[in-house]
Amino acid sequence: GDSVTQMEGPVTLSEEAFLTINCTYTATGYPSLFWYVQYPGEGLQLLLKATKADDKGSNKGFEATYRKETTSFHLEKGSVQVSDSAVYFCALRDALNFGKGTSLLVTP
Amino acid sequence: DGGITQSPKYLFRKEGQNVTLSCEQNLNHDAMYWYRQDPGQGLRLIYYSQIVNDFQKGDIAEGYSVSREKKESFPLTVTSAQKNPTAFYLCASGKGGRGMEQFFGPGTRLTVL
Repeated sequence: GDSVTQMEGPVTLSEEAFLTINCTYTATGYPSLFWYVQYPGEGLQLLLKATKADDKGSNKGFEATYRKETTSFHLEKGSVQVSDSAVYFCALRDALNFGKGTSLLVTP
Repeated sequence: DGGITQSPKYLFRKEGQNVTLSCEQNLNHDAMYWYRQDPGQGLRLIYYSQIVNDFQKGDIAEGYSVSREKKESFPLTVTSAQKNPTAFYLCASGKGGRGMEQFFGPGTRLTVL
């Protein structure tokens, strides 16, 4: 069946550091891929998505590219801010499958 | 404003009592979902519904029940059969179909004493 694997957290970075959060998936066909973000005590919000191979989703300085050959959808940001501290979830298809989440803490 | 609401934000119940969590959306979405979130476990799907009067079990449906009598509403009942009900519960809705994202409510934190 479908599944998503995310890198374990927590990830701690200094402000302005480069961020990568790895996400790989197992699925048949060409599923849509999503990144969601959850701030403390809140629900999830869509951060970005990609619906076909080689698509790049981007939003608020975050990017992720749909790599069919490596079944990956890694999240990246060139310069993180304290306000990016949150939990990030990778999701597959119509989001019936979520990764376990990666907690990010950005320190000043 | 369109959105998805959950109430209450915090809920306390005694062990052995059933409790119903509310979820309402005015986004005209066909699909609605319930997830449970525990520390270190990510999101686990409890039930989902793709159309009114129809719903399917997710990965952890035991001890829970739902109804979908109206498009806008998808209440979740946590029954006394649920062994460990204390958790953060998230409701979501979406248009369904390929590439469609979900919209999440703010969540309800249930504590069973």
